[in-house]
Amino acid sequence: EVQLVQSGAEVKKTGESLKISCKASGYTFKNYWIAWVRQMPGKGLEWMGVIYPGDSDTRYSPSLQGQVTMSVDKSISTAYLQWSSLKASDTAMYYCARQQGTMTTVWFDPWGQGTLVTVSS
Amino acid sequence: SSELTQDPAVSVTLGQRVRITCQGDSLTNYYATWYQQKPGQAPVVVIYGKNNRPSGIPDRFSGSSSGNTASLTITGAQAEDEADYYCNSRDSTDNHLKLFGGGTKLTVL
Repeated sequence: EVQLVQSGAEVKKTGESLKISCKASGYTFKNYWIAWVRQMPGKGLEWMGVIYPGDSDTRYSPSLQGQVTMSVDKSISTAYLQWSSLKASDTAMYYCARQQGTMTTVWFDPWGQGTLVTVSS
Repeated sequence: SSELTQDPAVSVTLGQRVRITCQGDSLTNYYATWYQQKPGQAPVVVIYGKNNRPSGIPDRFSGSSSGNTASLTITGAQAEDEADYYCNSRDSTDNHLKLFGGGTKLTVL
């Protein structure tokens, strides 16, 4: 069974750093892009970017460029999303998802269960 | 980058048909994917590509496309279909970038 399991909820203070994880199983990790998607409280889905575990090629949403860093550790089939200095506006649910697609379409499946990040002052 | 626009809310009477739409320039080049998200759960793909349903998705869900508009149709809506629905596609300005629509809250009356 293809599965993505994310790390647990985090409560942090503004200015702190954070790294959350997404562990893949059931498929060849290095062959599929992993996407990160943000969902702020009561809001819609926002695509943050993708990383290709095979060579760590990374593409970020222009609106989030420089705000977060995506990385992978192929040896343990795990993708990471990290912040160097959290802001209150980073409070959100963060999902990882495996990207699949063709020339004419793209889809994200499966999704991790989500990691809730709460940032307060 | 481009945008995908959805109606914020749609309602349907139990057992009737409902169409949820998604508009955007990228949809003239790419098919939309549709996700269902229920409260407290991660999104789930219901339609991808021209009109493909993942295993386990009921055949009352179907997808179509015309010009810059993609549609998700539920024929014979059930109470369990009440959820948020999001469309998604590649960005036509840079196909490495991806877009989500703002989401449509479907209420089954």
